Order: sequence, then structure tokens, then C-alpha cells
Amino acid sequence: SQQGEEDPQALSIQEGENATMNCSYKTSINNLQWYRQNSGRGLVHLILIRSNEREKHSGRLRVTLDTSKKSSSLLITASRAADTASYFCATAPLTGYSTLTFGKGTMLLVSP
Amino acid sequence: DVKVTQSSRYLVKRTGEKVFLECVQDMDHENMFWYRQDPGLGLRLIYFSYDVKMKEKGDIPEGYSVSREKKERFSLILESASTNQTSMYLCASSNNLGLRYNEQFFGPGTRLTVL
Repeated sequence: SQQGEEDPQALSIQEGENATMNCSYKTSINNLQWYRQNSGRGLVHLILIRSNEREKHSGRLRVTLDTSKKSSSLLITASRAADTASYFCATAPLTGYSTLTFGKGTMLLVSP
Repeated sequence: DVKVTQSSRYLVKRTGEKVFLECVQDMDHENMFWYRQDPGLGLRLIYFSYDVKMKEKGDIPEGYSVSREKKERFSLILESASTNQTSMYLCASSNNLGLRYNEQFFGPGTRLTVL
């Protein structure tokens, strides 16, 4: 069943601008992960944030996690045309098998 | 460089055919997964395997079966393909080292069309 829901569904910005995508989920989690998917290809892991972490950085990526609101955000700073892709959040459960539940994704278009 | 490969990028089959989708990973990962991806529905888990010969149903297992005879290979089988199984199929793998719910590594996907 779907757990994460990304917002917005689509985002269009100019190169150099920042892009922010949000993810909300319903049940308690072990960690939350963000993935990128270029058109028609497989997903690539971007960053993982554990439930006891509030913020994490990786290059131009900044992820925040608010477990009280059951939400996360992904910020891409100084966007480039090459950042054009779909972005998915995925939640890992507290217990059980090592599965992830993916949201439906945000399509990001960065125009030159 | 870690790698997950899938046997075909594009596949066209006829209704009623038996279809095999193969996935191979070279990372010695314990866990392997099959998803399908449809517009507006995101990724949905079909089946997964946490060890050789072990399998568990995901969210949408109906119409599918899987096989994992070797650690590196995970096959998805459509016993009798139907048009509503036209989709992008993605294979992924992950390990159990350290953090239990680790990142998944994805293959490039197989776009299956059932006519």
C-alpha cells in the first residue's frame, strides 16, 4: 500500500533556482529515503535519513525529517538542467522485512 | 561498480503467453525485489526475496510468481500474460549489512507490452 505521498506532483523551475519537494507518510518509520529516476530508467538512491535525524546534507541536496508531522522535504539547491527527473520518497518500516514503500513521485523540470 | 541487470529493456508478448523477466545482481545482496511502475500509481511491490529459495508476496502478487534458485538471480514469471500487465518492471536488490533497511539498487527496467 502507498505510504509516502510527494507534493507537488510536478515542478517546473529555471536553472539556478532551488527546488523543494515534500513527502508525507502515515505510519512510524525506521528511515526515509529519496530516489531519482531519469526518464524511462531505473531509480538511483540519493540520500537516507534515519528517524532520529532531523537534517542531512549531500552535495547540493538537503533533506529534513519531521517525525512529529510525518513529513520530509528534499531541497535541491542551484538546480541544473541535468536535475530534470522524477523524485521519489520511500519509507522503511520499524519492523518486519527489509521492504520500502514508495510514493508516486514529483516530476521536476529544470529549464536552461 | 555495483550492478543490477535485467534481461531485456523492451519486451512485446501476446496475451496468454508465459513471460520470464530475469534480474541479476553482482553485489552478493541478500534481498531482491520486483516492482511494477505505472503512470500515476508509482512503484508497487510485486514480490521480494530475502534469501535463496525464499519469497514473500508484496502488495500486488496476483498473476505473478517468482523464483530465486541462486543468490544473484531473481526471476519474475507471468504465467499467462494479460494486457493489464503491460507496465515497466523494475528489479532491485539490497543487503542486510549495518542498517537493516538499506538503500536499494535498481536495474534499468523492462518495459513490457502485452498485446
